[in-house]
Amino acid sequence: DVVLTQTPSILSATIGQSVSISCRSSQSLLDSDGNTYLYWFLQRPGQSPQRLIYLVSNLGSGVPNRFSGSGSGTDFTLKISGVEAEDLGVYYCMQATHAPLTFGSGTKLEIK
Amino acid sequence: QVQLKESGPGLVQPSQTLSLTCTVSGFSLTSNSVHWVRQPPGKGLEWMGGIWGDGSTDYNSALKSRLSISRDTSKSQVFLKMNSLQTDDTAIYFCTIAAIFWGQGVMVTVSS
Repeated sequence: DVVLTQTPSILSATIGQSVSISCRSSQSLLDSDGNTYLYWFLQRPGQSPQRLIYLVSNLGSGVPNRFSGSGSGTDFTLKISGVEAEDLGVYYCMQATHAPLTFGSGTKLEIK
Repeated sequence: QVQLKESGPGLVQPSQTLSLTCTVSGFSLTSNSVHWVRQPPGKGLEWMGGIWGDGSTDYNSALKSRLSISRDTSKSQVFLKMNSLQTDDTAIYFCTIAAIFWGQGVMVTVSS
């Protein structure tokens, strides 16, 4: 199974600060169809996960443009440009290139 | 408006079978995939398996021997059945349409 390693596991930020989360895969996520099926989710406390980013860098519907995704192959990054209070929660990356689908272990964003 | 709602027993005895239903509205089950994802208390997300628009299924290899996912398109419902439950199967169980839309989840506790 593909292992996704997220760092850091905990991130503490002030309002307005820009932060990045890394997701590294144990194998390339480039599919034979040319797509890279790497996604980012935010799970706020007590809520279901919300998709932020799909196919590495595409912003989900209704997601603020302070969120951005980048990367290729095995290394991916989620960036929040100007953290807001509503961004607290746990961030997960997920890959769907290889079966079974797998999630990273999560990065908890705390607001200072 | 796409909505998903999970339903099922909140408490299951060890060694028994879990049956959950995901009822979908505003979306055709033949147009995309529906997946089950679970989350033990205080832990991360685990993909369990999914059923694709054509009715084919994929399962997490760790659960495959115990798990079955099926659907009734006429009722817009997707079903999960997992047997031989143990205490470490205690979790919130989510259904999701292609990881885009998510249900609120249902808490299942395995205990005698």
